[in-house]
Amino acid sequence: DSGVTQTPKHLITATGQRVTLRCSPRSGDLSVYWYQQSLDQGLQFLIHYYNGEERAKGNILERFSAQQFPDLHSELNLSSLELGDSALYFCASSPTVFARNTEAFFGQGTRLTVV
Amino acid sequence: GQQVMQIPQYQHVQEGEDFTTYCNSSTTLSNIQWYKQRPGGHPVFLIQLVKSGEVKKQKRLTFQFGEAKKNSSLHITATQTTDVGTYFCAGRRAGGTSYGKLTFGQGTILTVHP
Repeated sequence: DSGVTQTPKHLITATGQRVTLRCSPRSGDLSVYWYQQSLDQGLQFLIHYYNGEERAKGNILERFSAQQFPDLHSELNLSSLELGDSALYFCASSPTVFARNTEAFFGQGTRLTVV
Repeated sequence: GQQVMQIPQYQHVQEGEDFTTYCNSSTTLSNIQWYKQRPGGHPVFLIQLVKSGEVKKQKRLTFQFGEAKKNSSLHITATQTTDVGTYFCAGRRAGGTSYGKLTFGQGTILTVHP
């Protein structure tokens, strides 16, 4: 158990809908990262938050948004869903962002299926 | 932007054979990390390399970081069925402002036949 909690584990929704994925980082971790993993694909970096502030952005679609709340949990909002958005969405956390020796601890992921 | 390429994409080996996956970055890295994802699981951190030319070993696994800090490799000696999974390298770009951006390679999917 990595200590990172993601909910829900599975989500099935229709095209055009909007969903929210939730992530609770490890206790004390200030950084939260979101990654998208499509079938047989690598991990595509979406966005990084540190202590409530956005710090880095990857190839995140405009239909997607995220935020990190004062209690450090994070939510990834996906709207106007398309079939191609079906993927495994991982959240990862780490203690800091500027330190060199920080590994990322991954949650179990949310499997999103858009039908 | 920064790109991290990993080869091969797939590797099938017989149990007992060796396995190597290679990782190349388009930019100089401050450090490189390796993760393993078991089928149906989530990525789990294996190791981090920071210094130019660094070599680290974990039992049957040997990790190397290139002199130019742009490439890395993971070598597994005498694979076992428990080694099955996808191995990812992930790098942080040296300098710049996106300290938090950990860019992953596409991963190498390892299959071990008993």
